[in-house]
Formats: sequence, C-alpha cells, structure tokens
Amino acid sequence: DAMVIQNPRYQVTQFGKPVTLSCSQTLNHNVMYWYQQKSSQAPKLLFHYYDKDFNNEADTPDNFQSRRPNTSFCFLDIRSPGLGDAAMYLCATSTTGTRTDTQYFGPGTRLTVL
Amino acid sequence: AQSVTQLGSHVSVSEGALVLLRCNYSSSVPPYLFWYVQYPNQGLQLLLKYTTGATLVKGINGFEAEFKKSETSFHLTKPSAHMSDAAEYFCAVSVTTGNQFYFGTGTSLTVIP
Repeated sequence: DAMVIQNPRYQVTQFGKPVTLSCSQTLNHNVMYWYQQKSSQAPKLLFHYYDKDFNNEADTPDNFQSRRPNTSFCFLDIRSPGLGDAAMYLCATSTTGTRTDTQYFGPGTRLTVL
Repeated sequence: AQSVTQLGSHVSVSEGALVLLRCNYSSSVPPYLFWYVQYPNQGLQLLLKYTTGATLVKGINGFEAEFKKSETSFHLTKPSAHMSDAAEYFCAVSVTTGNQFYFGTGTSLTVIP
C-alpha cells in the first residue's frame, strides 16, 4: 500500500544533541510537510517542500532545518534540541499543494529530550 | 485571517448515542474544510472534506459533516457512536498559500460502554 513512513517512531535525545527525523513516501506526491504537535495541541506547520522548493513558516525557529534529497525522502534536523522541543513530529504529503488537496500523514515520531 | 475553533476539548457519549463535534471557522476566502481523526500515538487520518458542491459531506466510518456558510460552521456528526470512535478529532481549514492547514485544537471523544 502507498503510504507515508516515519522513522524512528520514538526518538530520545539529550539536551543540545543534534537529532534527525526521517520521512519517506511511496505516494509520489510533490509536496511534503513537517508539523510539530505538542501534547493536547493542534499540529503546527513548521515548513513544507513543493518539489525542491523549501517554504519555511515565519515563526519556525532557526533550530529546525529540513532536507529533501529526492521526491521520496524528507528529513527534519533539530540542531540543538531543547526541552521545549519535545513533541510529536508529523510528516505529511499532498499531490499538488492546492487548497483542495488532502494531506496524508505518517504515524509520527515522538521526540523526548532529556 | 484564517482560524478554526472547536468547541469542547472533551466530549463523552454513550455507545450508540449521537456524536456531535463542533467546528467553527473564520476565513477571508471561501473555505475548504477538513476533519481528521487521530488515534493514540498515530498520525492523522482524513475523515472527510468539503471543497465545493454539496454541503452535506459523507466520510468514512459513518461520519458526516455539513457546511453551513451562514453559521460559519462545519460540525461533525455520527448517528450512533461505537467504542472504536474514541479518538482525537481535528477540524482544519485550508488556505491558499502552499496548501497550509490551520487546525483547531482538537476534541477528544470518549465513548462510554
């Protein structure tokens, strides 16, 4: 089945130690998104790629970076995780990025910062 | 400006009872509206969406929602709750730039046996 895959599902890191979260998709969608979801809150968009074009949300901290080496993969890098970065990180994809598009979500990676 | 308000962060219903989860939106453009469900430790799954056309939208698992422009609402309903419906439900509005979604803060549905 076509899907959005996130690895790992659970990630533990230490305060200040860089961490990378991975997302891959078999849907061949043009657009890939990264959301941060803190406990009992709505998902918050960090950035998205339309193909290779990177679009950063204005309020996304510089500590968060992303790479998309090819259509299938997208990575979220947190350069120096703080305690406040502990959250569920959701990757999503959509076909063309138009307003009517459904976004397809992966299962998420739960990040713990010690 | 676009925003979504979900009234009631927690809703409890008895098994077999009507489910009603409320969503009101604010949008400066004609809204495209979505309902997603999130089970514990999982990603979001699309239940249904409204783009254009018929204002009563049917989705998966017996859920439906009605777009009411005059009330700026898009409430989610299901005639008879099932235990498996217990989850977090998010309403979202899609805006123009980059297909960005604005999500509501979610409603946690508990189904009581």
